[in-house]
Amino acid sequence: SAVISQKPSRDICQRGTSLTIQCQVDSQVTMMFWYRQQPGQSLTLIATANQGSEATYESGFVIDKFPISRPNLTFSTLTVSNMSPEDSSIYLCSVETLGTGNTIYFGEGSWLTVV
Amino acid sequence: GDSVTQMEGPVTLSEEAFLTINCTYTATGYPSLFWYVQYPGEGLQLLLKATKADDKGSNKGFEATYRKETTSFHLEKGSVQVSDSAVYFCALSRYSGYALNFGKGTSLLVTP
Repeated sequence: SAVISQKPSRDICQRGTSLTIQCQVDSQVTMMFWYRQQPGQSLTLIATANQGSEATYESGFVIDKFPISRPNLTFSTLTVSNMSPEDSSIYLCSVETLGTGNTIYFGEGSWLTVV
Repeated sequence: GDSVTQMEGPVTLSEEAFLTINCTYTATGYPSLFWYVQYPGEGLQLLLKATKADDKGSNKGFEATYRKETTSFHLEKGSVQVSDSAVYFCALSRYSGYALNFGKGTSLLVTP
């Protein structure tokens, strides 16, 4: 398995501001993904974070709103830009680690409330 | 496209009751199948997985068998505890390197 640390764990943000979420993994990973979980809902994939290149975004998510970086194999950031109350969600980093045969692990999530 | 369908919740059971949460999937090829659990106020934890037909995943008393013929991966536990109260998500991944596709989740409440 992998130990995945996300920061911040929780935050209350003002409308119109931006927040960057960090994801650090304790071992090398093959893939890193970012998901959003809106209140009472399931998880929706935002994007796949690609090392050293632009992230691959899912339909409905754009780079201007959710810029993602992945400078190395164990670290990624997701920024939620120009936030509105509709962005209040849990944002989860997930990884597939080497040798785990297609198993994906999740961080504890970043619980954002936009006021 | 790929999809996962779970039974609607919430499910309420008494302690020591038998649990079944149904999960069926639609996918091409031979996806890997997973159950994740989310306890109140926490992130997702991998509960169990199966990577090929007839595989049985098990963990913490929970079991699920990959049934190719019925495209199902139902979660079962023989005797639930209050501490099992959580939301359970069924998910699939088409192959290594592919992101997960989740069901809507099933909320379970176990009462003493």
